[in-house]
This record gives sequence, structure tokens and C-alpha cells, in this order.
Amino acid sequence: GAGVSQSPSNKVTEKGKDVELRCDPISGHTALYWYRQSLGQGLEFLIYFQGNSAPDKSGLPSDRFSAERTGGSVSTLTIQRTQQEDSAVYLCASSLVGGADTQYFGPGTRLTVL
Amino acid sequence: GENVEQHPSTLSVQEGDSAVIKCTYSDSASNYFPWYKQELGKGPQLIIDIRSNVGEKKDQRIAVTLNKTAKHFSLHITETQPEDSAVYFCAGPGGTSYGKLTFGQGTILTVHP
Repeated sequence: GAGVSQSPSNKVTEKGKDVELRCDPISGHTALYWYRQSLGQGLEFLIYFQGNSAPDKSGLPSDRFSAERTGGSVSTLTIQRTQQEDSAVYLCASSLVGGADTQYFGPGTRLTVL
Repeated sequence: GENVEQHPSTLSVQEGDSAVIKCTYSDSASNYFPWYKQELGKGPQLIIDIRSNVGEKKDQRIAVTLNKTAKHFSLHITETQPEDSAVYFCAGPGGTSYGKLTFGQGTILTVHP
């Protein structure tokens, strides 16, 4: 079946612009996660949506970052007033029930801020 | 919060040799430990996971062992092949929020033909 998809695959923007990154989770998965991977680094947790519960935003690095998940499916990660240090690969994952359940990752969006 | 340390950062082996990657964690309440493989330009893919009610799990050439007393777990790949070359990440539960993962820094595995 279809896996997690993300768009765009690559995004180049200028410093100070806003960007939106999209994630389509696996159909029926109730949990959705955003991670950030800087060059040569591990994955840094950003935000976690589980069903209708309030999202866990504890990993968002600043108030320029926000995310929403509409209708329990598609999610959008928004970065306002982008900075060069925001350049990274942004990965989305989903899992069937959350908790200690397998997370399936999308291919990521590579963001470059000039 | 949870802290996961992974070693080594790079590992180079000859085809057919075994490879071992080790991780330690800090939260004694942790009970789920997945391993992911990431190939260039792709998202991480789960290759094996272990839960705290078992000490070892095997899947063909891949095995994971867990020592809860010492708070460490290891990935073992036997009979390595060039296609095993990738970045491998261990992970543990991410602390107070049940569900999020804390990842190790990754190990770049290179298998030489």
C-alpha cells in the first residue's frame, strides 16, 4: 500500500520567507510525527499528533515553527521568517496507534534557506 | 528526558564480516527500542525492534540484544553485504510523551566488497 508521502521533496527559499511542508500519512494511522535531520546528524523530534489529543509541541525549536493536522490526516509544518539554521531535512512519520508502535517515515523534504 | 548514545559513529567492515552497533539509554522506564536503516536520500526504515520483555530478537542476518540492567542494546548484522551500507539509527522512547522517539546520532556502516 501507499506509504507516507511528503511534499515538496526539495525547497529552496530566501532568508525571511515563510515555508509550508506537507505530510500525507498512511491511511488509517492515528499518530503523526515531525522530525528534523540536520546534515550528518540524528533525528530531532519536533511535534507529535495523536488522534484528537492536544499535540506534543515540546520539540519545536522556536515560535517560528508551527504545525497542524487537519481532519486527523494531512499535516502541514510551517516555518515563518526562515533562517539559515533552519536548513535541514524535515521528516514526517506516522504510526497506527501511537505509543510504542512502529513509526513509518516519509522520504523527507530537504529545505535550504539561502 | 531520555538520552540515547550510539557508538561507533562510523564502522567499516569487509563483506562477510559481522558488524555491531551499540546504544545506551538513560530512562529506566524505557520499554521499546527500534533500529532504523537510512539510505542516501531516503527516510529511515525500521529494520528490527525489541521490547523490554525479551532479551534478544533475530530476523535472518539481523539481531538485537537488550540488557535492561545495564541500559544498553545492540544491533548485530552477520554476513554483511555491500547493500547493508547505510546509516543506522537506534532509538528509545522520548521521555514524558509516550510515543515520540529519541534517536541516537547514527552509525555510518560501510561494507567493502
